[in-house]
Amino acid sequence: GENVEQHPSTLSVQEGDSAVIKCTYSDSASNYFPWYKQELGKRPQLIIDIRSNVGEKKDQRIAVTLNKTAKHFSLHITETQPEDSAVYFCAASIQGYSTLTFGKGTMLLVSP
Amino acid sequence: EPEVTQTPSHQVTQMGQEVILRCVPISNHLYFYWYRQILGQKVEFLVSFYNNEISEKSEIFDDQFSVERPDGSNFTLKIRSTKLEDSAMYFCASSEASGADTQYFGPGTRLTVL
Repeated sequence: GENVEQHPSTLSVQEGDSAVIKCTYSDSASNYFPWYKQELGKRPQLIIDIRSNVGEKKDQRIAVTLNKTAKHFSLHITETQPEDSAVYFCAASIQGYSTLTFGKGTMLLVSP
Repeated sequence: EPEVTQTPSHQVTQMGQEVILRCVPISNHLYFYWYRQILGQKVEFLVSFYNNEISEKSEIFDDQFSVERPDGSNFTLKIRSTKLEDSAMYFCASSEASGADTQYFGPGTRLTVL
């Protein structure tokens, strides 16, 4: 089955800095890569996703890049704000299946 | 904006008891999922459900677990005889289609087994 590794486990930045979270996946058949943000005690919320037919996608301060050859994808947050503080999970889904395999999460702390 | 809803928000039960967790997926969605998240750990897939049958399940989803769509709106997860290690947050999710389609998560049910 699919295995997703995520780094770092914690990331502390100053407000206004950029943050980068990286994930690798094991199964080359994976073709869908969502990122979820989970605030304490709340549901995971999709913030951005990318499919394997594109290499990069951007939505305001958030961008995701995908390198299919290396089997890794990254989340980039620019101009971080304190409200960006949360746990971020990457996930992968193998083509033809509905299962999402999640990474272990990154706790992002943005200090004012 | 429609959301997935779950009840109860918190369930406390004694070891060995049966529990039923309830979910109402987004109304036009066809695929339903249960995930669990043990405190401080990652979200883990349990089962997916489509067209009134299980389409995929993980090794966590053993004979103690079952899912059902008892009517046109509810989707339930039953744990027959709860164990201490079943204590976790259980999330329901739904999507319009399978595969590479966005899954929307409910707020979760925190299950505490004593």
